[in-house]
Amino acid sequence: EVQLVESGGVVVQPGGSLRLSCAASGFTFDDYTMHWVRQTPGKGLEWVCLISWDGGTTYYADSVKGRFTISRDNSKNSLYLQMNSLRTEDTALYYCAKDLRHRSSWYGFDYWGQGTPVTVSS
Amino acid sequence: DIQMTQSPSSLSASVGDRVTITCQASQDISNDLNWYQQKPGKAPKLLIYDASNLETGVPSRFSGSGSGTDFTFTISSLQPEDIATYYCQQYDNLPITFGQGTRLEIK
Repeated sequence: EVQLVESGGVVVQPGGSLRLSCAASGFTFDDYTMHWVRQTPGKGLEWVCLISWDGGTTYYADSVKGRFTISRDNSKNSLYLQMNSLRTEDTALYYCAKDLRHRSSWYGFDYWGQGTPVTVSS
Repeated sequence: DIQMTQSPSSLSASVGDRVTITCQASQDISNDLNWYQQKPGKAPKLLIYDASNLETGVPSRFSGSGSGTDFTFTISSLQPEDIATYYCQQYDNLPITFGQGTRLEIK
């Protein structure tokens, strides 16, 4: 059974930093591109970033480029999101999600974690 | 960025009704479109991929069609457990973008 379990979401002040983690199991982790997607009541679902199965390629939404860094450790079946210079508008529920195609670029998300909440507030 | 416009934003229907949701892309995305269902307090669930392919394990009352800029998602006979918010999502170009969602309620 595929499982994705996020952790690390907390309340942080504007300008602060945070690292989210996602522990994956039930599939061959290093065969799939992985994503972070966030959700807010006001803006709905927003794709944040992706990392290729080998970690060699990353892409970011403009809203987080230069502030967030996605990484993965395939030996630990883990995905990470380093979030710096946080803004109030980064407040959201953050999901890690598995891409639906094997060793490909990006398509969509066939498995999601339960999400971890990030609140940026003074 | 490719804008995805869903309509309606909310919908009330009766059990057994045929329900249709549309999604329009701001440019041609071929069939690079997926549909998701999200129930309250849960993560989204993939229902349809590549515009018209049913994900494994998803009931056959769900279907999708379309290509280019105009897409349709249909529930052939609404069931009580289908109450949720539905989203379209394009992957033709980065950034991946979602529609704003359609909230489906039982009348």
